[in-house]
Amino acid sequence: DAGITQSPRHKVTETGTPVTLRCHQTENHRYMYWYRQDPGHGLRLIHYSYGVKDTDKGEVSDGYSVSRSKTEDFLLTLESATSSQTSVYFCAINTGAKQYEQYFGPGTRLTVT
Amino acid sequence: ILNVEQSPQSLHVQEGDSTNFTCSFPSSNFYALHWYRWETAKSPEALFVMTLNGDEKKKGRISATLNTKEGYSYLYIKGSQPEDSATYLCAFIGVGGSTLGRLYFGRGTQLTVWP
Repeated sequence: DAGITQSPRHKVTETGTPVTLRCHQTENHRYMYWYRQDPGHGLRLIHYSYGVKDTDKGEVSDGYSVSRSKTEDFLLTLESATSSQTSVYFCAINTGAKQYEQYFGPGTRLTVT
Repeated sequence: ILNVEQSPQSLHVQEGDSTNFTCSFPSSNFYALHWYRWETAKSPEALFVMTLNGDEKKKGRISATLNTKEGYSYLYIKGSQPEDSATYLCAFIGVGGSTLGRLYFGRGTQLTVWP
């Protein structure tokens, strides 16, 4: 157990509203990641962070922003949610050991109506 | 964006069959190759982390091999059981700067084992 929690676990929101998902870790690891899961696409990286205030875009970053003001929290924001952002979102961390083996949170199911 | 390909996309086998899947990745700037097992309604969990050409890893009935020179890895399941049903993901990590630590996932192979 890598001590990763995600909140909320489920959310239904309307198109055009802002949404923030939170990933929290208890062990102060440097690297944190946000992925989305979609049928036929596996896991796709949205954004990742390699330290406080150090973030970079993944392959599907359009429409998403992130912030990391402290080591333990990595926030993913949908500025104006769209139906195409309906998905399951996974946060992950790696410890820097084991060649960056990743540990995943439980996931957040987001539905945009 | 790096290209990581997995085949087949899905596989249906009978209990007791042995099976294997392929992961193809860039053969240059290799750092590590991961395999993850992802059961429905759960989170992915690491199976193997492989770094050296010729690496072979084994966990119970599941094993994996790595060829970094030609850019592929095989995952084998011997005597498949219904509890092996899951999506198997591979992920490539390349060497270099701020991208170190970033995984490039394939789309996965979805395995269904029928009793």
